[in-house]
Amino acid sequence: VQLVESGGGLVQPGGSLRLSCAASGFTVTTNYMGWVRQAPGKGLEWVSIIYSGGTTYYADSVKGRSTISRDNPKNTLYLRLNGLRPDDSAVYYCARGAQLERRYSYYYYVDVWGKGTTVTVSS
Amino acid sequence: EIVMTHSPATLSVSPGERATLSCRASQSVSSNVAWYQQKPGQGPRLLIYDASIRASGIPVRFRASGSGTDFTLTITSLQSEDFALYFCQQYHHWPGTFGLGTKVEIK
Repeated sequence: VQLVESGGGLVQPGGSLRLSCAASGFTVTTNYMGWVRQAPGKGLEWVSIIYSGGTTYYADSVKGRSTISRDNPKNTLYLRLNGLRPDDSAVYYCARGAQLERRYSYYYYVDVWGKGTTVTVSS
Repeated sequence: EIVMTHSPATLSVSPGERATLSCRASQSVSSNVAWYQQKPGQGPRLLIYDASIRASGIPVRFRASGSGTDFTLTITSLQSEDFALYFCQQYHHWPGTFGLGTKVEIK
């Protein structure tokens, strides 16, 4: 089971990037998947999540500027980021969520992480 | 938002000794806490979920406990490969929040 991210790099403010996460050993579309980022000196934060059924979530910080998607044949997760700002600079990790069900509620923790891809937004 | 706070920020330990790391939630998160290990240049690795259950393949020297707001990760007899950053995540309140972590360094 493995996740390998790509697509990071240096981009000017206002620019766009598409991050990719190639999965192996399991199927992306049948799992809770997402992107977590870590800015320098800051903690990890969820950026975007996609449930196996297709429902998506975006953090307020990227809402309206990002799109999470997946490609079944390529078994790959994507994150499109538009209107990039310097505070989007971070290491972006692809993550798989493990689901726990308790008393009709679902909980998710990350059981598989990628190594991350670095996004730097600067002129 | 639930804030997860680690103590200490840095822990200096000699190989073979025990390390005890703490993580406190700003409000109750039941037992919905995971612990991760991260080494420089690598992605995090799941160690513990549900506050005390070791993930697959994790050595028994990693032990964890806690519920509510206070959680502990203990590494008995530190090995050279255990020097790393350790952080917790609460997943009781979706989508979950992460602590900044404790860095375990060689004394």
